[in-house]
Amino acid sequence: QLQLQESGAGLVRPSQTLSLTCAVSGGSISGGTYSWGWIRQPPGQGLQWIGYLYHSGHTYYNAPLRSRVTISADGSSNRVSLNLTSVTAADTALYFCARMAPMGSFDAWGQGALVTVSS
Amino acid sequence: SYVLTQPPSVSVAPGQTARIPCGGNNIGSKSVNWYQQKPGQAPVLVVYDDSDRPSGIPDRFSGSNSGNTATLTISSVEAGDEADYYCQVWDAYNDHDFGPGTQVSVL
Repeated sequence: QLQLQESGAGLVRPSQTLSLTCAVSGGSISGGTYSWGWIRQPPGQGLQWIGYLYHSGHTYYNAPLRSRVTISADGSSNRVSLNLTSVTAADTALYFCARMAPMGSFDAWGQGALVTVSS
Repeated sequence: SYVLTQPPSVSVAPGQTARIPCGGNNIGSKSVNWYQQKPGQAPVLVVYDDSDRPSGIPDRFSGSNSGNTATLTISSVEAGDEADYYCQVWDAYNDHDFGPGTQVSVL
């Protein structure tokens, strides 16, 4: 059974870089037709997609975040990473990694990692 | 980006049918996915590609999509269906768009 688990610092200082890792078990992140994405949810708000690593190797990012975000993968450790630079309080959110199916649905999610941006 | 609209809340009595609309310009030409999110939990995909259900999702959950509105229908609503529901599309620019969410309350 596919499982995703996010990990990383729960508290990040303003202007610093948010770094999260998604460990995938029960399936390989390499090959096939699945892609891997990150979605976040600010407290009390809805879902906002951050970006995804398409199975072709290309990355796509949400326009408002594009200049600050990087998504990458390490096939040897079966992990997907998220880096978000120059964070502000507006980046405080629950961050989810998710598997993206070929038609664009997110069919498996991690439990989420809460990241608070505060000095 | 592509704008999706959803009512903030829908209330339904147990055993009745809940219909959650998701509006978008010509959304009928797109593939719509639906997620259920209970408090403190990650979202769960309940309908994909307009009307298909992942394995393990009860057939009480169904979807349709035509014109400018996609609809998630929950039949024979149970207390355990109380949750936030989000629609989502993957648009022509390779962007993802989520609706603002609808809170379903079971009276």
